[in-house]
Amino acid sequence: GDSVTQMEGPVTLSEEAFLTINCTYTATGYPSLFWYVQYPGEGLQLLLKATKADDKGSNKGFEATYRKETTSFHLEKGSVQVSDSAVYFCALTRTRSNFGNEKLTFGTGTRLTIIP
Amino acid sequence: ETGVTQSPTHLIKTRGQQVTLRCSSQSGHNTVSWYQQALGQGPQFIFQYYREEENGRGNFPPRFSGLQFPNYSSELNVNALELDDSALYLCASSLRGVGSSPLHFGNGTRLTVT
Repeated sequence: GDSVTQMEGPVTLSEEAFLTINCTYTATGYPSLFWYVQYPGEGLQLLLKATKADDKGSNKGFEATYRKETTSFHLEKGSVQVSDSAVYFCALTRTRSNFGNEKLTFGTGTRLTIIP
Repeated sequence: ETGVTQSPTHLIKTRGQQVTLRCSSQSGHNTVSWYQQALGQGPQFIFQYYREEENGRGNFPPRFSGLQFPNYSSELNVNALELDDSALYLCASSLRGVGSSPLHFGNGTRLTVT
């Protein structure tokens, strides 16, 4: 079945450091890929998405590129801030979906803490 | 616009009891999905309702059931509670069809089964 594997956490970085959170997936067909973020005490929020190979999703300084050859969708940010501290989830839908409003398969999440 | 609201925020139940969790969709949304998030895990898809009909189900037993009402709000019912049902239950609404939208998640209901 479909699955998403994320980098084990927690991850602790200093402010302005470079961030990479690894995500790889297993799925048949042409999945769409997503990153969701969960801030403390809040619900999940869509951070960015990509619906086909070589697409790059970006938002709030975060980027991720859909790599079909390596089945990966790694999250990156050039300079993190304390406000980026949250739990990040990689997810996919089996079919091409602009918005993931079908069934989402999530990874286990990566807790990120940024220290000043 | 009003976001997705879930009630209650927390509750404690005893093994074998039944529970009902409620979700009010974001205005204009016609689809509701429910997810179970165990501690330290990613959310797991329970089921989705579209226009009051179940429209997809994950790997959960029949004691997990749901309803969607004409105003698109929804309930998740769990019968014969087990200790492993302890989790954060997330509701998400969206618009399917013309002008479809991303999922909007509520803050969840934390269920503890003792």
